Amino acid sequence: EIVMTQSPATLSVSPGERVTLSCRASQSVSSNLAWYQQKPGQAPRLLIYGASTRATGIPARFSGSGSGTEFTLTISSLQSEDFAVYYCQQYNNWPLIFGGGTKVEIK
Amino acid sequence: QITLKESGPTLVKPTQILTLTCTFSGFSLSTSGVGVGWIRQPPGKALEWLAVIYWDDDKRYRPSLNNRLTIAKDTSKNQVVLIMTNMDPVDTATYYCAHRSSPHYFDYWGQGTLVTVSS
Repeated sequence: EIVMTQSPATLSVSPGERVTLSCRASQSVSSNLAWYQQKPGQAPRLLIYGASTRATGIPARFSGSGSGTEFTLTISSLQSEDFAVYYCQQYNNWPLIFGGGTKVEIK
Repeated sequence: QITLKESGPTLVKPTQILTLTCTFSGFSLSTSGVGVGWIRQPPGKALEWLAVIYWDDDKRYRPSLNNRLTIAKDTSKNQVVLIMTNMDPVDTATYYCAHRSSPHYFDYWGQGTLVTVSS
């Protein structure tokens, strides 16, 4: 089973700052990597799939990069509505695995 | 417009069987390529994929729970059912159903339903 490790666990950021979240796979998942955003009390929302393709309606300030085992989600200028928990998910192999999440909180 | 909604008991006792229903609209599980999955999230913890079913009735399960899970579809009712046996307090979680986009990520999610396992 592939292990997905996200870092850091928590990130304290001020609005307007650039944010970089990391997701590492224990073995190559090619570009079969998705990112989700989850706010308290809400279901996850798909942000990125194929490691770098924004889902429908996702603002351009969100971008994804990477392939193989190292992936990054970047938020170019953090908005108030972006404070949330972010999860990565690999879908290259069964079982489908989510990372442990990174919480982006207000500094 | 794709929507999904989970329904089922909010409280089950240890060793009991949990049956959850996902009722969806905006797509058909008889259409080639379509799939619906179940994902759960214990309070304050990360997401955990459980199972997925496809238009052709192919099914995949989380190996660690494989002997406890059954997923089935009722195409005529636009529903997917998840059955989990031998429930334990560690199974307390919010259970989500979601529309699977090819190949295997989830682009539309239900609101989730909290299931508590307690005697």
